[in-house]
Amino acid sequence: SQWGEENLQALSIQEGEDVTMNCSYKTYTTVVHWYRQDSGRGPALIILIRSNEREKRSGRLRATLDTSSQSSSLSITAAQCEDTAVYFCAPQGNTRKLIFGLGTTLQVQP
Amino acid sequence: DMKVTQMPRYLIKRMGENVLLECGQDMSHETMYWYRQDPGLGLQLIYISYDVDSNSEGDIPKGYRVSRKKREHFSLILDSAKTNQTSVYFCASSLWGWEQYFGPGTRLTVL
Repeated sequence: SQWGEENLQALSIQEGEDVTMNCSYKTYTTVVHWYRQDSGRGPALIILIRSNEREKRSGRLRATLDTSSQSSSLSITAAQCEDTAVYFCAPQGNTRKLIFGLGTTLQVQP
Repeated sequence: DMKVTQMPRYLIKRMGENVLLECGQDMSHETMYWYRQDPGLGLQLIYISYDVDSNSEGDIPKGYRVSRKKREHFSLILDSAKTNQTSVYFCASSLWGWEQYFGPGTRLTVL
């Protein structure tokens, strides 16, 4: 496996809380994609962070990338019920292939 | 409208039957992918296509083949389907391997 055990987990939080999901990787990576997958649908890209960026923000989302520790994180500020989904990180090297992690299931309770 | 379509959405086949899954995209992306998704295993790459008639095996190609005769269409073929090929299959496309746009998936059951 390419991934640490922390990449497969389920989180349950209350609406309004902040949450952070982590992933680690072992391959040469130039960019990390973060996708979310809603139940019954295909994954969709939510944020992409390149190796020359330490942090990237998009609305309530914040991604970080630490190339020295080969890890990335996705934080959601003030989570809403509609943030309930499975979140995948997917590192990419110099090919067109992504390596999808096992995903983090996030449940936001009202 | 950027869209990836998959047909059919649901399919039930008997073991040994042939299966054809179709994927289309309207973004003129040169790169297309087929994945399968099983509980606890995440998304596994079956095949990648770099353009028309330029296909390459992914991580789990055994038991599958693909066809890409037009840039906008990418087919996944299962010759003599097996019960362990029961899964949800996703097609995706991307421009030069950047953001991947996924279709809605096909839920295949092989009895």
